[in-house]
Amino acid sequence: DTAVSQTPKYLVTQMGNDKSIKCEQNLGHDTMYWYKQDSKKFLKIMFSYNNKELIINETVPNRFSPKSPDKAHLNLHINSLELGDSAVYFCASTKQKGTGGGYTFGSGTRLTVV
Amino acid sequence: KQEVTQIPAALSVPEGENLVLNCSFTDSAIYNLQWFRQDPGKGLTSLLLIQSSQREQTSGRLNASLDKSSGRSTLYIAASQPGDSATYLCAVRLDAGNMLTFGGGTRLMVKP
Repeated sequence: DTAVSQTPKYLVTQMGNDKSIKCEQNLGHDTMYWYKQDSKKFLKIMFSYNNKELIINETVPNRFSPKSPDKAHLNLHINSLELGDSAVYFCASTKQKGTGGGYTFGSGTRLTVV
Repeated sequence: KQEVTQIPAALSVPEGENLVLNCSFTDSAIYNLQWFRQDPGKGLTSLLLIQSSQREQTSGRLNASLDKSSGRSTLYIAASQPGDSATYLCAVRLDAGNMLTFGGGTRLMVKP
């Protein structure tokens, strides 16, 4: 199946730990993203990344860092987890503009920090 | 900075009704607009994608319109069914950059 895949689906961890969420897309898309959906269900961009440019939303703490081993993967590393980091994190991808440009989202990773 | 607003925030209708969900955005320099559906505890499913040069898109019982100059889009759902119950999200991609800006969503409940 062509899709955006995230793992794990659920992640429960203690405050202070470091964790990673993996994302892979097999759609041949050029740009990948991480979005955060908070408890009020509002979706907000965290990062946008292609092989040329990383754009970071200025409100994202530097404890969060995206890492892309190749064009099809964009992993999210979170250091020193805090209670307020509990949310659902979505990975997404798009083609470059001029070729349609619709977003495809992964199914989300529900992170709970205890 | 692009801001996207969806009205109403929640809507409850009896089965069979036709309904309209509204989305407005502040920056009309958009590349495209996308409507998504999100079921509780699930991911986002793309419903319709409208390019900035288009005025509407249709898929089955769904029709989305776009008026770029006034900064508005509507999602029309015909003959609503209980299975349509979900949160509907409007999202805008600007000409500049790649990021998608979301509205707060409309939570729809269709009662049998």
